[in-house]
Amino acid sequence: RKEVEQDPGPFNVPEGATVAFNCTYSNSASQSFFWYRQDCRKEPKLLMSVYSSGNEDGRFTAQLNRASQYISLLIRDSKLSDSATYLCAVNVAKTSYDKVIFGPGTSLSVIP
Amino acid sequence: NAGVMQNPRHLVRRRGQEARLRCSPMKGHSHVYWYRQLPEEGLKFMVYLQKENIIDESGMPKERFSAEFPKEGPSILRIQQVVRGDSAAYFCASSPQGALNTEAFFGQGTRLTVV
Repeated sequence: RKEVEQDPGPFNVPEGATVAFNCTYSNSASQSFFWYRQDCRKEPKLLMSVYSSGNEDGRFTAQLNRASQYISLLIRDSKLSDSATYLCAVNVAKTSYDKVIFGPGTSLSVIP
Repeated sequence: NAGVMQNPRHLVRRRGQEARLRCSPMKGHSHVYWYRQLPEEGLKFMVYLQKENIIDESGMPKERFSAEFPKEGPSILRIQQVVRGDSAAYFCASSPQGALNTEAFFGQGTRLTVV
């Protein structure tokens, strides 16, 4: 099983739609989780961290389910500018250090 | 207050040549990560370094690839005798401490094309 897996895409949704992405991780000791956004041919940029209690930033809501080892990202009222690839990132705890592993990404296209 | 700086942004090499990719982390950051992204694929972890130490190189191909992060100067990812399959975007990220509870900041990447 891969360390971090995401919904296969692409997702094509109309403007104004609500879309949700899921990401699962295999290391139960992981403690920090992030969603990044990557535009075509650009570097990934942090969208939001994911906290245990869930967190919201405008139209974006992130949830963490430790028991099932998955995180989710919900985008409400999709805009054309939301079109991008969304990467989840999970810290993988090793004996004496942690490293961040990225999922393969889910592509979103918001259609007029 | 510069972010993570990578250079060159674009690099073209002929098969068999060497490629050197440089990454200067954000000021105050002592942890550097290198990732490779093949066209239409996700980010693949390559190596994690601290100053003068390789912490985790489990994602590095066994041959031709090496990385360093000296006490002074940028981190270097070196690819010897490049082949067509090395063509990819190579991203560097830095953080002020280990990955725990800390986001990583990315450079703009180096796009390597092997012809």
